[in-house]
Amino acid sequence: GAVVSQHPSRVICKSGTSVKIECRSLDFQATTMFWYRQFPKQSLMLMATSNEGSKATYEQGVEKDKFLINHASLTLSTLTVTSAHPEDSSFYICSARGPTAGGYNEQFFGPGTRLTVL
Amino acid sequence: DAKTTQPPSMDCAEGRAANLPCNHSTISGNEYVYWYRQIHSQGPQYIIHGLKNNETNEMASLIITEDRKSSTLILPHATLRDTAVYYCIVRVDRRWGGKLIFGQGTELSVKP
Repeated sequence: GAVVSQHPSRVICKSGTSVKIECRSLDFQATTMFWYRQFPKQSLMLMATSNEGSKATYEQGVEKDKFLINHASLTLSTLTVTSAHPEDSSFYICSARGPTAGGYNEQFFGPGTRLTVL
Repeated sequence: DAKTTQPPSMDCAEGRAANLPCNHSTISGNEYVYWYRQIHSQGPQYIIHGLKNNETNEMASLIITEDRKSSTLILPHATLRDTAVYYCIVRVDRRWGGKLIFGQGTELSVKP
């Protein structure tokens, strides 16, 4: 399968600061990217969907001004957690979807980013 | 997308087959059954998917009942590395879009 990378894998920041997480599709063009959040012992929760060059669509209850998503190219999406607080501490996972050699729109997941806000 | 119901946890002896059930009684005719797994602190990994026929690949087999209201993922010879949370998801054909909405999944523990 195709490879999706995330950077950084772990980040610790102080309360009130902003943190940017990058998601890259390494060997295919991601026409759509998804951002998920996962708290300990819980399932993945979809936060938002973004199509390249368009504004992201946020799921109900997700603050778009707090979680800024940019999908400026077919291989890169960023999630910025603005004015982070301890309750934003979580495991953030991106997923990228795009046409692959088989002609299907496959969806692949990144390894996740562990955010800890002190 | 239809919702799914899975047992919260299961145990399996190493080397034995692991059979993970999933109920999706409200599945629509154009929805597929997908299985993913998540090993602790990693991103989900695709396992297999199907519409109505049984499917097999190098990782697992997927058995879908004739009425499509339930399915079973079979790991034929479970190893310790198969310990993970397994998610059953129903959604429209991935070729045409849609979103992967994760339920609670089944935590499979493979024991020596």
